[in-house]
Amino acid sequence: GAVVSQHPSRVICKSGTSVKIECRSLDFQATTMFWYRQFPKKSLMLMATSNEGSKATYEQGVEKDKFLINHASLTLSTLTVTSAHPEDSSFYICSAPRTSVPDTQYFGPGTRLTVL
Amino acid sequence: GENVEQHPSTLSVQEGDSAVIKCTYSDSASNYFPWYKQELGKRPQLIIDIRSNVGEKKDQRIAVTLNKTAKHFSLHITETQPEDSAVYFCAGRGAQKLVFGQGTRLTINP
Repeated sequence: GAVVSQHPSRVICKSGTSVKIECRSLDFQATTMFWYRQFPKKSLMLMATSNEGSKATYEQGVEKDKFLINHASLTLSTLTVTSAHPEDSSFYICSAPRTSVPDTQYFGPGTRLTVL
Repeated sequence: GENVEQHPSTLSVQEGDSAVIKCTYSDSASNYFPWYKQELGKRPQLIIDIRSNVGEKKDQRIAVTLNKTAKHFSLHITETQPEDSAVYFCAGRGAQKLVFGQGTRLTINP
C-alpha cells in the first residue's frame, strides 16, 4: 500500500526558533500534499495544500509567513514553523493522495511539536 | 465551503453489539466520503469510503451508507471488538480537499 513518512516524529524546541518537518511519499509520487494540525482530542484542521512546483494554498486564518511550505519534489513537502511559540505546540500531520487514486489520502505518522 | 458535522462525540457499547456514527454534510457537490480510525498518538487510517454514486458499501464488519438527498452518511460497525476502540472521523471532499467531522470516541466495553 501507499506509505507516507514524516520526520521528525517528535521535536522540542525553544521559543523563537524554527522547526522543519518533512513529509515524504515513499512508494508513489504526489503532486499535492496536505498539512493538517490536530489539537488534543480534536479533529484534523487543514492548514494548507502543498503543490509541487508552485506556491502552497493556505486556509483562511493560517499565517503564510509563519508556516512556510515548500514542495521540493514529487515525493517531498516540508513545513517550517518559523519563530515558534508555545501556542504552536500541536500534532502536525501530512497526507498525500496517489495520483492514480486521487480521492484516497494516505496520512503520515505525524509530528508532535512542543515549544517551550 | 463544505461543513461536516459528526455525532455522537462519544459512544460506548458492549462488546459484540453494533455501533453507529452519523455525519451530515453541507455541500451537495461533495462526492467522496471516507471514514478514518485514529488510535491515540497515531495516524488516521482509512477504514472504508463511499462515493456519491453508491448508496451503501460493506467490508466485513464495517459498512457505510449514504443518503445524498438528506446529505448524511453513517458508519456501522457490527459485532464490535475491543480493538475497535478508537476515535473515528468522517470526512467529505469539497473543492478538492477533505473536510473532517469533529470525531467520535468509541469505547468497546468487555
